[in-house]
Parts: sequence; C-alpha cells; structure tokens
Amino acid sequence: GAGVSQSPSNKVTEKGKDVELRCDPISGHTALYWYRQSLGQGLEFLIYFQGNSAPDKSGLPSDRFSAERTGGSVSTLTIQRTQQEDSAVYLCASSLPSGGAYEQYFGPGTRLTVT
Amino acid sequence: GENVEQHPSTLSVQEGDSAVIKCTYSDSASNYFPWYKQELGKRPQLIIDIRSNVGEKKDQRIAVTLNKTAKHFSLHITETQPEDSAVYFCAARFYGQNFVFGPGTRLSVLP
Repeated sequence: GAGVSQSPSNKVTEKGKDVELRCDPISGHTALYWYRQSLGQGLEFLIYFQGNSAPDKSGLPSDRFSAERTGGSVSTLTIQRTQQEDSAVYLCASSLPSGGAYEQYFGPGTRLTVT
Repeated sequence: GENVEQHPSTLSVQEGDSAVIKCTYSDSASNYFPWYKQELGKRPQLIIDIRSNVGEKKDQRIAVTLNKTAKHFSLHITETQPEDSAVYFCAARFYGQNFVFGPGTRLSVLP
C-alpha cells in the first residue's frame, strides 16, 4: 500500500517568508509525528498528533512553528517568518494508535532551505 | 522527560566483523525500543524493535538485547557487509507518549 508522503520534497524560501509543509500519513494511522533533522544530526522531535489533537507540543522550537491536523489524516507544519537556522529536513512519520507499541513509518522528508 | 544516550557516535569495522551499538534510557516506564537505519539522503527505516517484556530478539544478522534493570539496550550486527554502512538511531517510547531518539551512530564497514 501507499506509504507516508510529504510535499514539497524541496523548498527554497527567503528569510522572513512563511512556509507550509504537508504530510499524508498511511491510511488508518491515527498517530502522526513531525521531526526535524539538520545536516548530519539526529532526529529532533517537534510535535505529535493522536487523531486531530496534539497531546505533546513540547518540541516546537518557537512560536513561529505551528502544526495542525484535520480529519485525522493530513497534517501541515507551518513556519512563519523563516530564519536561516530553520534550514533542515522535516520528516513526518505515522503509526497505529499511539497507545500501542507500533512502529513508525517515515515519509521521505521535505528539505527546507532558507536563504 | 525521557533521555536517550547512544554510543559510540562513530564505529568502523572490517567487513565480516561484528558491530555493537549501545543505548541507555532514563524513563523506566519506557516500553518500546526500535532501531532505525538511515542511509545517506534517505528516510529512517526500522530494522528491528523490542518490547519491554522481551529480553532479546534476532532477525538474521541483527539482534537487539534489552536490560530493563540497567535501562540499556544494544544492537548487534554480525558478519557485517559494506551495505550495512549507515547511521543507526535507537529510540525509546513510553506508552502513549512520544518517541525519543538517540543522537545516532555512524557505522562504516570497511571492505
């Protein structure tokens, strides 16, 4: 079946502009996660959703970052007034209900470059 | 909150030798421990996982061991091959909560 998809695959934006990143999870996966990975670094947790609610927003780096999920499916991560330090690969993952110990499936990521 | 440490940060082995990567976690309530392999420019892929009610799990050349008392778990790769070269991440998850990842280990298998 179809895996997790993300769009765009690459995004180049000017400093100060807003960007929206999209994640389409695997059908039926109610848990959705956003991570950020800078070049050569590990996975930095940003936010996760269980259904449409976000029990844990602790990883969002600043109030310029926000995320929403509608219909228990597609999620968008919005970065306002982008800064150069926001440049990274943004990875989305989905899994079955987070109450169970189910594996995450990652999308291909969106490479964001802020110039 | 949960914290996961991972060692070593880099590891070089000769083809055919074994590789071991170790992780420790801080939250004794964590109950699920996956390992991911990430090749350059690719997404992380799950290679093996273990739940807290199991001490060891094997899948062909890879195995994971879990010591709940000491709060550490390890990845073992035997008969390493050049295609095993990648960055490996461990993670820990508490029931119903988020995953916390280790910083990664860059494994190089030398032919």
